[in-house]
Amino acid sequence: DGGITQSPKYLFRKEGQNVTLSCEQNLNHDAMYWYRQDPGQGLRLIYYSQIVNDFQKGDIAEGYSVSREKKESFPLTVTSAQKNPTAFYLCASTTGYQPQHFGDGTRLSIL
Amino acid sequence: GESVGLHLPTLSVQEGDNSIINCAYSNSASDYFIWYKQESGKGPQFIIDIRSNMDKRQGQRVTVLLNKTVKHLSLQIAATQPGDSAVYFCAERGNQGGKLIFGQGTELSVKP
Repeated sequence: DGGITQSPKYLFRKEGQNVTLSCEQNLNHDAMYWYRQDPGQGLRLIYYSQIVNDFQKGDIAEGYSVSREKKESFPLTVTSAQKNPTAFYLCASTTGYQPQHFGDGTRLSIL
Repeated sequence: GESVGLHLPTLSVQEGDNSIINCAYSNSASDYFIWYKQESGKGPQFIIDIRSNMDKRQGQRVTVLLNKTVKHLSLQIAATQPGDSAVYFCAERGNQGGKLIFGQGTELSVKP
């Protein structure tokens, strides 16, 4: 079945450490997105990519980095510059005028 | 700036009743609106969408209404079931390409 796979489901970060969250889709979607969700809140856009080898900052890009070397993959790195990284991270993809399709998220916590 | 907000953060209904979840948006240029359902620990799941050239769209047990005059969106769920318990988000696509702007969410609780 087609879908979006996020891994790992749970991730722990130590002080000063960079961690990378994986997002893979086999839907042949052109655009991919990363969102952050804090408890009791909506989704805030971190980065998005509408085409391979191109990406744009969202509303809260500071402390994060991404790459889009393949159409299927859009990994997110949470750097040590992100001082409050504890959150639920969601990846989504879409193409054309279709609604965004989401993965099941990665929950990041600080050790 | 653009914003999407919800009138009620929590909604509790009796099983079998109809539920109405409301959403206000501020960008009159938004052309596409989506409702998502999010269960605990999972990603949002698409429920129904509507384009700005429509004022009503129906799905299976769900109806979305769009009132562009007052910039209001609502999701109606008929014969609400315990499995409908979740957080519901509205989202609008504004005038900046494919980016969506999400509301805060409404938690729907269905009492058996």
